[in-house]
Amino acid sequence: EAQVTQNPRYLITVTGKKLTVTCSQNMNHEYMSWYRQDPGLGLRQIYYSMNVEVTDKGDVPEGYKVSRKEKRNFPLILESPSPNQTSLYFCASSLSRTGVREQYFGPGTRLTVT
Amino acid sequence: AQSVAQPEDQVNVAEGNPLTVKCTYSVSGNPYLFWYVQYPNRGLQFLLKYITGDNLVKGSYGFEAEFNKSQTSFHLKKPSALVSDSALYFCAVRDGNNAGNMLTFGGGTRLMVKP
Repeated sequence: EAQVTQNPRYLITVTGKKLTVTCSQNMNHEYMSWYRQDPGLGLRQIYYSMNVEVTDKGDVPEGYKVSRKEKRNFPLILESPSPNQTSLYFCASSLSRTGVREQYFGPGTRLTVT
Repeated sequence: AQSVAQPEDQVNVAEGNPLTVKCTYSVSGNPYLFWYVQYPNRGLQFLLKYITGDNLVKGSYGFEAEFNKSQTSFHLKKPSALVSDSALYFCAVRDGNNAGNMLTFGGGTRLMVKP
C-alpha cells in the first residue's frame, strides 16, 4: 500500500531534550516536506526537500533541522525543543518537484513539550 | 508573498443541500490551487486541484471547485452534502512561477453536515 508513515504518533517530552520524528514514504517520491498544524493557522511548512541531499527552509524553520540521506526518509529533528513547538506535525511527499502534483500526507505526530 | 484566506471557520449545512466552502488567494505569478480534507485523527487527503485549463475542476467524493481569476477565488462546492462530508477542509496555493516549492495553506474551514 502506498503510504507515508511517521513515528512516533504521540510524544510528550521536556524542554531541551533532543528528539527525532521519523518520516518514510514507499512511493519513490522525490519531494518531501514537513508541516506543523496549529489551530486557526492551517498548515505551515517547516522544511522541504526536492531530492536526496537537497533541503530548503519553509515558512517556519527556526528550531528544526532535517536531513535527506535516502530518498524514502526525511526525519525532523528538534535539537532543543521548547513549549512553542507543541503542535501537530505532518510529513508529506509528492511525485512532482514542480508543485503540479498533489501531496500525500502521513497520519501526523502530536508533540507536547512541557 | 503568497497567501490563502478561508473566511469561514465553520460552515453548517443540512444533508442533501448544496455546500460551498470559500477560498481566496494571493500570488504574484500563476496560481496552483489545491483542496485537501482532514478527517479526525487523520492526515490530509487530496480532493482536487487547478493547475491550468478548464476553470471548473472535479475531484473526489463528488466535490468540484471553480477557479475565478478575476476574483482570485477557488471555492469548493458539492451539489448534495452528506453527513460523511463533515470534516476540516483546507485550501492551498503555490506560485507556479516561483522556483521554490512552498505550498501555503489557509486556516481551514470546518464543515458540519447535519442529518
